[in-house]
Amino acid sequence: NAGVTQTPKFRILKIGQSMTLQCTQDMNHNYMYWYRQDPGMGLKLIYYSVGAGITDKGEVPNGYNVSRSTTEDFPLRLELAAPSQTSVYFCASSHPRQPPNTGELFFGEGSRLTVL
Amino acid sequence: AQTVTQSQPEMSVQEAETVTLSCTYDTSENNYYLFWYKQPPSRQMILVIRQEAYKQQNATENRFSVNFQKAAKSFSLKISDSQLGDTAMYFCACRGANSKLTFGKGITLSVRP
Repeated sequence: NAGVTQTPKFRILKIGQSMTLQCTQDMNHNYMYWYRQDPGMGLKLIYYSVGAGITDKGEVPNGYNVSRSTTEDFPLRLELAAPSQTSVYFCASSHPRQPPNTGELFFGEGSRLTVL
Repeated sequence: AQTVTQSQPEMSVQEAETVTLSCTYDTSENNYYLFWYKQPPSRQMILVIRQEAYKQQNATENRFSVNFQKAAKSFSLKISDSQLGDTAMYFCACRGANSKLTFGKGITLSVRP
């Protein structure tokens, strides 16, 4: 019963490096999301996807890119990492293809990224 | 656009007592969901309770209940018989038809033994 799986759980990057946070879900959900959480703050939406091949920007998309080639996977790409991207990143999914849709998001365990 | 406001940054409660966490929201949607999520030190986001806006009855899940005042756009969480394991950060969140979940800044709840 895996749910939403994110990798890696921890990563340290140097300024200017690039990396991809992986996210996969096995619940056959249509919608997937990437959020970031800064210390003492709520979660802010980076990007989301309502289905394979469709992505859209959230509140804080600058410095990130996403793709959704399959229903299961929604990787988040950081290009030219900056200290401002130091944060905890959460992937989430919702909207099962089959009812019932309870409206909630199911979250991964988070990935802590530090940019030095 | 939706906004969610949690104005209390932290609260403390004695074990076995009752505590209420406040939340107000704003949305232009007619049909929306409201949630309370718990984030313990493990940082896992755990759903505590959900409320569908079209339902007048307040949601209840064991020791957790909400006071949903739709006209006032208020959605408070009551925790009864507080337990040490309730110590966590609690986030109020709103989700409209566009399916984007908007979070408040959260409140840190400490349960004292």
